[in-house]
Amino acid sequence: QITLKESGPTLVKPTQTLTLTCTFSGFSLSTSGVAVGWIRQSPGKALEYLALIYWDDDKRYNPSLKSRLTITKDTSKNQVILTMTNMDPVDTATYHCARSYLSTIYYFDFWGQGTLVTVSS
Amino acid sequence: DVQMTQSPSSLSASVGDRVTITCRASQGVSNWLAWYQQKPEKAPKSLIYGASTLESGVPSRFSGGWSGTDFTLTISSLQPEDFATYYCQQYKDYPPTFGQGTRLDIK
Repeated sequence: QITLKESGPTLVKPTQTLTLTCTFSGFSLSTSGVAVGWIRQSPGKALEYLALIYWDDDKRYNPSLKSRLTITKDTSKNQVILTMTNMDPVDTATYHCARSYLSTIYYFDFWGQGTLVTVSS
Repeated sequence: DVQMTQSPSSLSASVGDRVTITCRASQGVSNWLAWYQQKPEKAPKSLIYGASTLESGVPSRFSGGWSGTDFTLTISSLQPEDFATYYCQQYKDYPPTFGQGTRLDIK
């Protein structure tokens, strides 16, 4: 059974750095072709792709947010970590992690439920 | 970025109805199009990829089609568990982009 679960702070202040962790099971990020990405969902807005990391540690970022994002992985812990700097109230959203495969990259077949992050002073 | 425009934004229907949701891409994405279902407080669930290929375990009442830059998700006979929000996503062009969602409510 494949599961992904996001964790992190529920409230951050403007200008702070957000760190989110995706802990997954049922697959390995050391398997060739596997990738894990982050997508966020703001109230009243479309889903927005943020970043993705491949099994070989290659990384991709949404150009609109690239300067603020860092994605890393800890294969031994089955975790992917996303950091986002200089948080703003417009970054208030539910943040999801999801699995993808090289053969259909950026199509996400399994998602986590998401974690709601509110940015407010 | 490729813009994905879904219509309608909301839809009311009854159990047993046939419904179709449309997604239009602002430029060609071939068949690199996925559909997801999301219920409140739940993870999005993948339904269809490659515009028309059903994910394993997805009921056959769901189907996907496409012509040019227009894509459709059809539910042939609505079941109570189908009332949810549906999103399309293109994954041909970078960055991948999503439609704004179609909320399907019980009439």
